[in-house]
Amino acid sequence: GENVEQHPSTLSVQEGDSAVIKCTYSDSASNYFPWYKQELGKRPQLIIDIRSNVGEKKDQRIAVTLNKTAKHFSLHITETQPEDSAVYFCAAMSGTASKLTFGTGTRLQVTL
Amino acid sequence: DTEVTQTPKHLVMGMTNKKSLKCEQHMGHRAMYWYKQKAKKPPELMFVYSYEKLSINESVPSRFSPECPNSSLLNLHLHALQPEDSALYLCASSQVGREETQYFGPGTRLLVL
Repeated sequence: GENVEQHPSTLSVQEGDSAVIKCTYSDSASNYFPWYKQELGKRPQLIIDIRSNVGEKKDQRIAVTLNKTAKHFSLHITETQPEDSAVYFCAAMSGTASKLTFGTGTRLQVTL
Repeated sequence: DTEVTQTPKHLVMGMTNKKSLKCEQHMGHRAMYWYKQKAKKPPELMFVYSYEKLSINESVPSRFSPECPNSSLLNLHLHALQPEDSALYLCASSQVGREETQYFGPGTRLLVL
């Protein structure tokens, strides 16, 4: 089955700096890669996603890049703000099983 | 309505109790999911329903019994749970398909004593 690795597990940045979180996946048939933000005690919320027919997608301060050859994708947050502090999960949708597999999560802390 | 709702928000049960978790969505989604999330871990898929039929069971113990009475509702029946089953149980829904976004409910925080 699909295996998703995510790094780093924790990330601390100063307000205004950029944050980058990286994920790799194992199933070359995977074709959908969402990113979820989960604040403490809250539900995972989709912040951005990318499908296998594009290499990059941007939404305001958030961007995601996908390299299908290398089987990795990354989340980029620019001009970080304290409200960006949360746990971020990458995920990959297996092409064969229609099953979403999550990475282990990155705890992002944005300090003033 | 763009939300998935879950009840109850919190549940405490003994190992001999029977309880049910409920999930509802009115987004017209025909795929619904149950996930289990332990503290500081990612959500782990338990069950998938597609067009009200069980399509994926991730080898979940039989003390967890899912039910999809109609396209808007999803239940998870609990019986004879163990303390290690204490977790946040998340429901999600999506359109059917391999590239469809899953929307999560707020979860039920379950404590088994």
